[in-house]
Amino acid sequence: ILNVEQSPQSLHVQEGDSTNFTCSFPSSNFYALHWYRWETAKSPEALFVMTLNGDEKKKGRISATLNTKEGYSYLYIKGSQPEDSATYLCAFDRSYMNYGGSQGNLIFGKGTKLSVKP
Amino acid sequence: SAVISQKPSRDICQRGTSLTIQCQVDSQVTMMFWYRQQPGQSLTLIATANQGSEATYESGFVIDKFPISRPNLTFSTLTVSNMSPEDSSIYLCSVDHGQTPFYEQYFGPGTRLTVT
Repeated sequence: ILNVEQSPQSLHVQEGDSTNFTCSFPSSNFYALHWYRWETAKSPEALFVMTLNGDEKKKGRISATLNTKEGYSYLYIKGSQPEDSATYLCAFDRSYMNYGGSQGNLIFGKGTKLSVKP
Repeated sequence: SAVISQKPSRDICQRGTSLTIQCQVDSQVTMMFWYRQQPGQSLTLIATANQGSEATYESGFVIDKFPISRPNLTFSTLTVSNMSPEDSSIYLCSVDHGQTPFYEQYFGPGTRLTVT
């Protein structure tokens, strides 16, 4: 059974604080790792698709790193703003299983719920 | 990117009844996916819907409980049958976007279902 763990479960920070959270995943048969941001009552929004060990990706104040050998990824938010408040999901991509050609092969963690106070 | 809409956005249903959720995409896609998130749990894939063939269900999900239709390349429905309180969840549809070998998934805004 593939297990994807995210920590912490929730996080409360003040506006301007920088923060980070962790996604742990199986280190064997790695294909890709996805990060999403999910605001209440909206669609989950894709942030990053990470594929190579040592990858570092950045989008504005948000960045992510990837370590496939030890099976973890970090998501960083620099200078948090209230609009960053959301649940951040990571998903392990099991496309290596060649699951009938399907790309819907994402195993999600439970997410980290971030609240940023003004 | 793909724009996905879902109907209804939320509903409160009585146990034993059924609810059909609709998913509309603004472009033609080969595969559509249905997920659910039960309270406090991970987003979990229910099934993959290919146009013109029967849906493929993940372990733990069966067609009698979650029948899916895929009449064309832009539309799909998921029915939650004979509902019980355990079916209270957020149900999302999604599609792939990108190029081989790495795809992103685009999600609809979800249907928030409460079963009483």
